[in-house]
Amino acid sequence: RKEVEQDPGPFNVPEGATVAFNCTYSNSASQSFFWYRQDCRKEPKLLMSVYSSGNEDGRFTAQLNRASQYISLLIRDSKLSDSATYLCVVNVIGQNFVFGPGTRLSVLP
Amino acid sequence: DGGITQSPKYLFRKEGQNVTLSCEQNLNHDAMYWYRQDPGQGLRLIYYSQIVNDFQKGDIAEGYSVSREKKESFPLTVTSAQKNPTAFYLCASSLHNEQFFGPGTRLTVL
Repeated sequence: RKEVEQDPGPFNVPEGATVAFNCTYSNSASQSFFWYRQDCRKEPKLLMSVYSSGNEDGRFTAQLNRASQYISLLIRDSKLSDSATYLCVVNVIGQNFVFGPGTRLSVLP
Repeated sequence: DGGITQSPKYLFRKEGQNVTLSCEQNLNHDAMYWYRQDPGQGLRLIYYSQIVNDFQKGDIAEGYSVSREKKESFPLTVTSAQKNPTAFYLCASSLHNEQFFGPGTRLTVL
């Protein structure tokens, strides 16, 4: 079983739609969780950290479920500019970051 | 302007040649990392360094070497022993628990 798993997609959604991605992780000692966004042929950029209580940043909401070992990212009112690959990243304190393979999102006009 | 720089952006080399990719950061971060990304795949860790003059192998270190003589710099050498060197190489640094990436170097071996 891979350490961090994501549905590769692509998710093709119309503008204005709400879309959700899940990510599962296998190491129960994981303590830090992140969502990164990667545009085609560019470097990943931090979108948001994921906290136990859940957190929201504008149209983006991230949640963590430790019992089931998954994190989620919800995007409301999708924009064309949201089209990208979304990477789930997990970290055990004192160890390295583990990246999921990414979920590709295409927002269509 | 703080950040991470990588050079060059594109690099072409002949098979059998060693090549060194540059990574510099002025964020005063202790930890630095090198990843490789192949088309349609996630990032795989090559080497990392938590502090100057110390570095550790990642998951796919074979055929690569690094040095960390200065806090700001973490160059990666792709040696001729690396069987499939053509890839997108990403350097990152971190403070606490967040990683920040450079723009990457796209290496093509002909």
